[in-house]
Amino acid sequence: GENVEQHPSTLSVQEGDSAVIKCTYSDSASNYFPWYKQELGKRPQLIIDIRSNVGEKKDQRIAVTLNKTAKHFSLHITETQPEDSAVYFCAASRIPGGTSYGKLTFGQGTILTVHP
Amino acid sequence: DTGVSQDPRHKITKRGQNVTFRCDPISEHNRLYWYRQTLGQGPEFLTYFQNEAQLEKSRLLSDRFSAERPKGSFSTLEIQRTEQGDSAMYLCASNPSGLAAYNEQFFGPGTRLTVL
Repeated sequence: GENVEQHPSTLSVQEGDSAVIKCTYSDSASNYFPWYKQELGKRPQLIIDIRSNVGEKKDQRIAVTLNKTAKHFSLHITETQPEDSAVYFCAASRIPGGTSYGKLTFGQGTILTVHP
Repeated sequence: DTGVSQDPRHKITKRGQNVTFRCDPISEHNRLYWYRQTLGQGPEFLTYFQNEAQLEKSRLLSDRFSAERPKGSFSTLEIQRTEQGDSAMYLCASNPSGLAAYNEQFFGPGTRLTVL
């Protein structure tokens, strides 16, 4: 089955700096890679996702890059703000279809702390 | 609130008791997923329903666990003879099927189970 490794487990930055979180996956058939933000005691919320037919996607201060050959994808947050502090999870799945049902395999999470 | 809802939000039980959780997905979302999240870890897939059919189960789902979605709307997850190792957050997620394979899974707030 799929295995997703996420690094670092904790990340501390100053407000305004950039933050990068990296994930690797094992299943070459995975083709959908979402990133979720989870605040303490709250539900995971999607912040950005990418499909395997593109190499990069950007949404304001957040971007995701994907290297299919290396089976590696990264989250980039620029101009970090204290409200970006949370736990971030990467995930991988096969897009639903045929015998694939779209279950997500998550990384272990990164605790991001942005200091004012 | 038209998002995914779960009930109860918290459950404390004694070892050996049975517990049942409910998930109400977003209306018309025919895909429903259950995940389990332990402290400091990413969510782990438990089971998947498409409408009323349970199409995939993780090996994490022991014989003590059973899930149903009888009318293809809400779902229940029952744990029999609870063990301390069952203590976790149980998350439900849903998404629609259809063209373009819309992938985002919308998570509920979770049910936090504590087994004493």
